Amino acid sequence: DGGITQSPKYLFRKEGQNVTLSCEQNLNHDAMYWYRQDPGQGLRLIYYSQIVNDFQKGDIAEGYSVSREKKESFPLTVTSAQKNPTAFYLCASSIGPGPLLDQPQHFGDGTRLSIL
Amino acid sequence: AQSVTQPDIHITVSEGASLELRCNYSYGATPYLFWYVQSPGQGLQLLLKYFSGDTLVQGIKGFEAEFKRSQSSFNLRKPSVHWSDAAEYFCAVGMEYGNKLVFGAGTILRVKS
Repeated sequence: DGGITQSPKYLFRKEGQNVTLSCEQNLNHDAMYWYRQDPGQGLRLIYYSQIVNDFQKGDIAEGYSVSREKKESFPLTVTSAQKNPTAFYLCASSIGPGPLLDQPQHFGDGTRLSIL
Repeated sequence: AQSVTQPDIHITVSEGASLELRCNYSYGATPYLFWYVQSPGQGLQLLLKYFSGDTLVQGIKGFEAEFKRSQSSFNLRKPSVHWSDAAEYFCAVGMEYGNKLVFGAGTILRVKS
């Protein structure tokens, strides 16, 4: 079955460390997204990529970095510059860029990041 | 700026009762509207979507939503709630280019037996 795989499900970070969250999709989607979810705030967009080797900042990109070297993969690094990284992180993908909003985003099951 | 408001943080309904979850949006152009559902610790599942045409759209699990342009609303409804519907529900608006979504803060649905 096609889908989006996020790993690990739970992740712990020490102060001052960078950590990388994995997101892999086998849906052959061009566009991929990272969201952060905090209680009572809905989902906020961190970064998105509409095509391989290209990505754009979302609304809360500070303290995060991404890469898009392969179509299937869009890893997110939470750097030590992110002062409040404890949250639930969701990865999503959709068919393509442009005015194709009749193709919805599909979501992974998320990674919960906590600070030790 | 685009925004989505879900006025109800929590809603409790009895099993078998009808349900309506409210969603209001702010967007200058024709909106692309979605409802997603999230079970605890899981990702989001698409319930339904609206792009154009009939303003009453049907989704999965017996849900429907009605787009009302005059009220900038896209409320989600279900005639008879089941205990398995207990979850958090998110309304989202898609911007015309870039496939970006703006989400509301969510409504947590509790179902009492």
